[in-house]
Amino acid sequence: AQSVTQLDSHVSVSEGTPVLLRCNYSSSYSPSLFWYVQHPNKGLQLLLKYTSAATLVKGINGFEAEFKKSETSFHLTKPSAHMSDAAEYFCAFSGGYNKLIFGAGTRLAVHP
Amino acid sequence: GAGVSQTPSNKVTEKGKYVELRCDPISGHTALYWYRQSLGQGPEFLIYFQGTGAADDSGLPNDRFFAVRPEGSVSTLKIQRTERGDSAVYLCASSDLRVGGTGELFFGEGSRLTVL
Repeated sequence: AQSVTQLDSHVSVSEGTPVLLRCNYSSSYSPSLFWYVQHPNKGLQLLLKYTSAATLVKGINGFEAEFKKSETSFHLTKPSAHMSDAAEYFCAFSGGYNKLIFGAGTRLAVHP
Repeated sequence: GAGVSQTPSNKVTEKGKYVELRCDPISGHTALYWYRQSLGQGPEFLIYFQGTGAADDSGLPNDRFFAVRPEGSVSTLKIQRTERGDSAVYLCASSDLRVGGTGELFFGEGSRLTVL
């Protein structure tokens, strides 16, 4: 079965320090993978997506993610956290025709 | 409109009542999706429309849930005999799956349903 697992339900960082949000996937074929961000009372916004082109994917707001087939991972990183990055982040897997299968989410807290 | 619009933004109802949630997708988007997001969980797929037809309804939890998209644009999610466990945020998304389209899903802000 295809699935994504977000390894941390909560991550807390200081402003200006690096962010790492972990995602592992399970798939029998080469997947399309996504990261979405959800701010309180807002819709989900696409940060970036991997669709079998370059393994290092750059997204909006300074985020990037690296697809590692050997580790079945697609971790999200940012070199320096901003207060505005505090939100819920979801890793997702495309199950065909863009039907997305989401992880449980990681809540990112950024403190001064 | 510029984005996916969902109404109502909040709905409080009593157990056993009937509820309709509406989604107005981005103009021209052929694909429309409904998801349900329970507290502390990621969105869970419910149903996918390509045009007017439900191409995949495998995520609907039971026969109390039904969705329509009669003209290939606006969609309505219908829940009969609501139960407390139906309380969640119902998200709608649309996508342009035509040749040349990006295929990206654009989400609305959701309809928060509370069943008392």
